[in-house]
Amino acid sequence: DVKVTQSSRYLVKRTGEKVFLECVQDMDHENMFWYRQDPGLGLRLIYFSYDVKMKEKGDIPEGYSVSREKKERFSLILESASTNQTSMYLCASKIGGASTDTQYFGPGTRLTVL
Amino acid sequence: EDQVTQSPEALRLQEGESSSLNCSYTVSGLRGLFWYRQDPGKGPEFLFTLYSAGEEKEKERLKATLTKKESFLHITAPKPEDSATYLCAVPRGSGAGSYQLTFGKGTKLSVIP
Repeated sequence: DVKVTQSSRYLVKRTGEKVFLECVQDMDHENMFWYRQDPGLGLRLIYFSYDVKMKEKGDIPEGYSVSREKKERFSLILESASTNQTSMYLCASKIGGASTDTQYFGPGTRLTVL
Repeated sequence: EDQVTQSPEALRLQEGESSSLNCSYTVSGLRGLFWYRQDPGKGPEFLFTLYSAGEEKEKERLKATLTKKESFLHITAPKPEDSATYLCAVPRGSGAGSYQLTFGKGTKLSVIP
C-alpha cells in the first residue's frame, strides 16, 4: 500500500513565524504535490515537484515555498505565516508523469495561524 | 480553462435509498477522471480512475460511469458508513513535467439510518 505521511496532524503558529510542513512517501514516487483545502473553495494546488530539486508553481504559490532535496520528502514552507494561511494542508504523491497515474494523499495538517 | 463542477453540493439519503452524484467537466482533451472519497478531517482516499467515455468501474455499493461531458457516481442501497464528501478530478497540464489535477468542490453525502 502507498503510504504518504505528514509531520503533524494539527499545528498552531503565530503570525510572522516561519512554518515547515513535511511530507514523506515510501513508494519511490516521482511526483509530489502540496494543496490547501478551504470550505467553499475546494482543493487548490500550491506547488508540485516532478523530480528531486525540481519544483513548479501551482495555482496559489504566493506566500509559500517548497523544497525537495530527497525523492521521498517534499517540504512546504511558509516564510512568514499570516492568518489567511489558516487551512488544511494536504500532500499527495504519484508514481510518474502520466495523466492517469493516481495521486495518493496524506492525512492532512490542520494549520491555525493566530 | 479546465473546469470541474459537482452537483448537488449536499445530498441527504435514507439508508437504502439509491441515488447518483454528478461531475461535469470542460477540458481540452480528456485524459482520465478520478473519484475520491474524503472523510471529515482526513485526506482524500482514491476510489476510481475512468480512462475513456463509456467506461464503468464498481466497488461495493459504488459505480462510476463516464461520458464525454460528465461522470456519475451511483450509490446503490447506501449505508451510514458511506457518508462522506465525494470529489472528482481531471488531469491538466502539458505533461512536460507532470499532470496536475483540477478538483471539483465535492458533494457531501449524508446517509441517515
